[in-house]
Amino acid sequence: AQKITQTQPGMFVQEKEAVTLDCTYDTSDPSYGLFWYKQPSSGEMIFLIYQGSYDQQNATEGRYSLNFQKARKSANLVISASQLGDSAMYFCAMREGPDTGTASKLTFGTGTRLQVTL
Amino acid sequence: DAGITQSPRHKVTETGTPVTLRCHQTENHRYMYWYRQDPGHGLRLIHYSYGVKDTDKGEVSDGYSVSRSKTEDFLLTLESATSSQTSVYFCAIRPGGRAYEQYFGPGTRLTVT
Repeated sequence: AQKITQTQPGMFVQEKEAVTLDCTYDTSDPSYGLFWYKQPSSGEMIFLIYQGSYDQQNATEGRYSLNFQKARKSANLVISASQLGDSAMYFCAMREGPDTGTASKLTFGTGTRLQVTL
Repeated sequence: DAGITQSPRHKVTETGTPVTLRCHQTENHRYMYWYRQDPGHGLRLIHYSYGVKDTDKGEVSDGYSVSRSKTEDFLLTLESATSSQTSVYFCAIRPGGRAYEQYFGPGTRLTVT
């Protein structure tokens, strides 16, 4: 079974609108972390946001927020007020196990390509 | 800027030849990783290191070896390159402690003909 599933290969959103990128995960480990990365057309991988499995509140970083629904095993990325520069590939990733004292290996989803239009 | 460089940035090589990719970091981070990125697969972990001379296999380690003789350098070697190893290779570091995320290098595009 896939550990990270991103079911939307591509998404379109109009500038200034909000968009939600879906991510579901599968793990039996009670301690895990969820990450979102952005990959623009230039190719670099940019860390956006992190959510720990024990965090009580949803993570937020500027225009990015992570809608964490533990019972549903979902960790959707919400981008508010989309900008043209948000056009990129977005990857969801998971670390299984505690966040300290381990190598923290990541498992990635296949990504969602977001296109922001005028 | 996490101070990660990868070399070479682009390489074309022939099937059966050995290839070594280098990842260099300037901030003495303990954890280093090699991933490959292929269409439809996202990024997959090849090998990782948790210290000098301490390495372990990831999800797709067959056909690859790694070495870390200094904190700052993590080498990925394809002993005998195959066309299936055509990919973009990313190195990453994890600062450790309470920092959870990994920071990635710029990537190396490898083509095996």
